[in-house]
Amino acid sequence: AQTVTQSQPEMSVQEAETVTLSCTYDTSESDYYLFWYKQPPSRQMILVIRQEAYKQQNATENRFSVNFQKAAKSFSLKISDSQLGDAAMYFCAYIRANNLFFGTGTRLTVIP
Amino acid sequence: DAMVIQNPRYQVTQFGKPVTLSCSQTLNHNVMYWYQQKSSQAPKLLFHYYDKDFNNEADTPDNFQSRRPNTSFCFLDIRSPGLGDAAMYLCATSSGGTAGGPRPYEQYFGPGTRLTVT
Repeated sequence: AQTVTQSQPEMSVQEAETVTLSCTYDTSESDYYLFWYKQPPSRQMILVIRQEAYKQQNATENRFSVNFQKAAKSFSLKISDSQLGDAAMYFCAYIRANNLFFGTGTRLTVIP
Repeated sequence: DAMVIQNPRYQVTQFGKPVTLSCSQTLNHNVMYWYQQKSSQAPKLLFHYYDKDFNNEADTPDNFQSRRPNTSFCFLDIRSPGLGDAAMYLCATSSGGTAGGPRPYEQYFGPGTRLTVT
């Protein structure tokens, strides 16, 4: 079975500062994809960043980057220069056979 | 812009009264998903279609059914809604896990339909 764990139900960050959201997962597969999705209040879920497990290089998308530790099955999201628009629920997700398995989410508050 | 559209955005139904939620996509994706998301929880996959092939999750209640008449449209039918079915229902699409395709595993979500059961 695949499980995704986000141990931080809530996090807060000062505007312009950096925050890291944690995620661990469990799988017996060797090749898979991992994602971070963002769900702002009352708005739709959008993809923030993706990581292919076979790639050693950590993915980066503008202010968003991941720290992917395959052996430790860890996939954390770093948000640099946090902005008010980053406030949202963030879900870590693992995909296998076209199905996404989500973690329970981390609610990020950005403090002006 | 190519997108995933869900109608209506808000739906109120009475206990036990059948309701249908609609999803359409302009992405021409092979796979369409329905998720149920209750307040402050992660989305829970109900089922998905890969083209015409229907894949039901083992723990999806029989009360929930789906139809996909063509590539663009997919419907979620709740035959007899209970109070516990009140939730946000998310539709998503993906191009499917075909090697070499652009971003084959990325799922694109619609804005959701918030269902209230009275």
